[in-house]
Amino acid sequence: NAGVTQTPKFRILKIGQSMTLQCTQDMNHNYMYWYRQDPGMGLKLIYYSVGAGITDKGEVPNGYNVSRSTTEDFPLRLELAAPSQTSVYFCASSIGGGFDEQYFGPGTRLTVT
Amino acid sequence: AQSVTQPDIHITVSEGASLELRCNYSYGATPYLFWYVQSPGQGLQLLLKYFSGDTLVQGIKGFEAEFKRSQSSFNLRKPSVHWSDAAEYFCAVGTSGNTPLVFGKGTRLSVIA
Repeated sequence: NAGVTQTPKFRILKIGQSMTLQCTQDMNHNYMYWYRQDPGMGLKLIYYSVGAGITDKGEVPNGYNVSRSTTEDFPLRLELAAPSQTSVYFCASSIGGGFDEQYFGPGTRLTVT
Repeated sequence: AQSVTQPDIHITVSEGASLELRCNYSYGATPYLFWYVQSPGQGLQLLLKYFSGDTLVQGIKGFEAEFKRSQSSFNLRKPSVHWSDAAEYFCAVGTSGNTPLVFGKGTRLSVIA
């Protein structure tokens, strides 16, 4: 049982490039989340999903897109990367919604230059 | 909507000393409350959670937290801090339903000899 896995661990992008951050969970959780973490700012929710085929915006969705075609996978797409998207990105999952523990992946450190 | 405040950005304690990290929440009904820990370069790990019942909750690594409805607080405590407890600590509040957890901005704990 690997839990929540994220790839890649590190990535450097040039301004205007695109990439997809991968997230997979093997716990059969319905809910999945993407956060970004900037120093001193805590976690900010980008997008979340309550099940396959259903996604919703979080606090900071601009510049990102998601899809959820399977229960296991929840990729985060960055189109036209900007320096403001330099951050550490965490994926998480939970069985239920706001009343349930979230399990976090190890994170992806992204730098846009 | 619910919200959570962690008043202390950074706390330094001596090894062996006691610790209390503060968390205040805002929510009209009984909340679901969580404390997470993030070691450097890692994802978040659940320390403990409160749903209902006994207001003193025991967690992993010797941590405990007390829910005080009258003060809208859920402070984290440890009687004797170890150097390995140096990390960032996040309080989170959740509700029933689909709304994701709301995280505080975190408190960074430093431990000195």
